[in-house]
Amino acid sequence: AQKVTQAQTEISVVEKEDVTLDCVYETRDTTYYLFWYKQPPSGELVFLIRRNSFDEQNEISGRYSWNFQKSTSSFNFTITASQVVDSAVYFCALSEALDSSYKLIFGSGTRLLVRP
Amino acid sequence: GAGVSQSPSNKVTEKGKDVELRCDPISGHTALYWYRQSLGQGLEFLIYFQGNSAPDKSGLPSDRFSAERTGGSVSTLTIQRTQQEDSAVYLCASSFVRDTEAFFGQGTRLTVV
Repeated sequence: AQKVTQAQTEISVVEKEDVTLDCVYETRDTTYYLFWYKQPPSGELVFLIRRNSFDEQNEISGRYSWNFQKSTSSFNFTITASQVVDSAVYFCALSEALDSSYKLIFGSGTRLLVRP
Repeated sequence: GAGVSQSPSNKVTEKGKDVELRCDPISGHTALYWYRQSLGQGLEFLIYFQGNSAPDKSGLPSDRFSAERTGGSVSTLTIQRTQQEDSAVYLCASSFVRDTEAFFGQGTRLTVV
């Protein structure tokens, strides 16, 4: 069965520290997509990245970077030089595609608190 | 607006009443999804629309829940005879086609008293 595990329930760091959020997934599909979303206190889920299962290149976007390793079924997210505005709940998600269906399977989320 | 819009933002209803939640997806997005977020349950998939059809309703918790989409655009999630366990944030998302990134609305917080 498709499953996403975010083992870190809550992480607290001091501003400017680097922090890595872990995501491990299970899937029977050979083609799939992985996602990260941010949910700030306002509640809206904000899309951060989508990664195709055939593309294992790491990606960097400003202070954000993602490390996708198929061998360990992991898609980890690193924030460099964290800021207070990074405080939010972060969700990792995995696509599940069937003939006529499509959905995202979400992990339970990691709450990140960045203290000044 | 350019994003996914949901209404109302908050809804308080009495147990046993029916409620309707509305979602206006991003224009041109053919795929639409409803999710539910509650404490202890995380983000649960409810239903997936492709155009006006719902090929996957497997996440709807009971027959009290139904959803429709018209004109390939607006979707309504209806909960009949609400129960306290229906209290949650209901999130709508849309994507251009399936497999592309889904953009979420701000959600409707439903409280059943």
